[in-house]
Amino acid sequence: QVQLQESGPGLVKPSQTLSLTCTVSGGSISSGGYYWSWIRQHPGKGLEWIGYIYDSGSTYYNPSLKSRVTISVDTSKNQFSLKLSSMTAADTAVYYCARGVVTIIVVFDNWGQGTLVTVSS
Amino acid sequence: DIQMTQSPSSLSASVGDRVTITCRASQSISSYLNWYQQKPGKAPKLLIYAASYLQSGVPSRFSGSGSGTDFTLTISSLQPEDFATYYCQQSYSTPYSFGQGTKLEIK
Repeated sequence: QVQLQESGPGLVKPSQTLSLTCTVSGGSISSGGYYWSWIRQHPGKGLEWIGYIYDSGSTYYNPSLKSRVTISVDTSKNQFSLKLSSMTAADTAVYYCARGVVTIIVVFDNWGQGTLVTVSS
Repeated sequence: DIQMTQSPSSLSASVGDRVTITCRASQSISSYLNWYQQKPGKAPKLLIYAASYLQSGVPSRFSGSGSGTDFTLTISSLQPEDFATYYCQQSYSTPYSFGQGTKLEIK
């Protein structure tokens, strides 16, 4: 059973860059066919898909965040990462990493527990 | 971008009730629709994919239907563990998007 675990700072200052890592266990991130994704949830609000990295390194980002987002993968560590620049209070949210897989259509079938990131000086 | 709208936003019901939650897409998404359940402090859990397929391990009291722009999630007989927030999500095109959620509360 694949498990995902986010790690990173819980507090970021305005204008700084957020760096989060998702460690994948129970399976290889290199096995192919998966959309390694980041999704966030503002406090008390709904879910917002940030983007994914797929197989060989193809990425797709939500246009609403595209200018500030980078998702990358480190196969040697079985991890993928999120960088979000120019953080503001509006970026305060719980950040989830998730595995997307095609089961007829793309579904997010495995999620990390989530990590709360607060933007404050 | 495709907008997903759920109704109602909240719903009070009793154990044993039959409950239906609706999700509407801003354009046709065929059957590219998933449903998730989220409990407080937890990550979402996949319940239904491709509009009507039950994810492995999910109780059969959950069912989904619809295609095009209108979809429903039905819980045939509510159990205490079903009180949670439910989200629909479209996988028809990127950026993938979620509904705003329906909070199911105990009456």
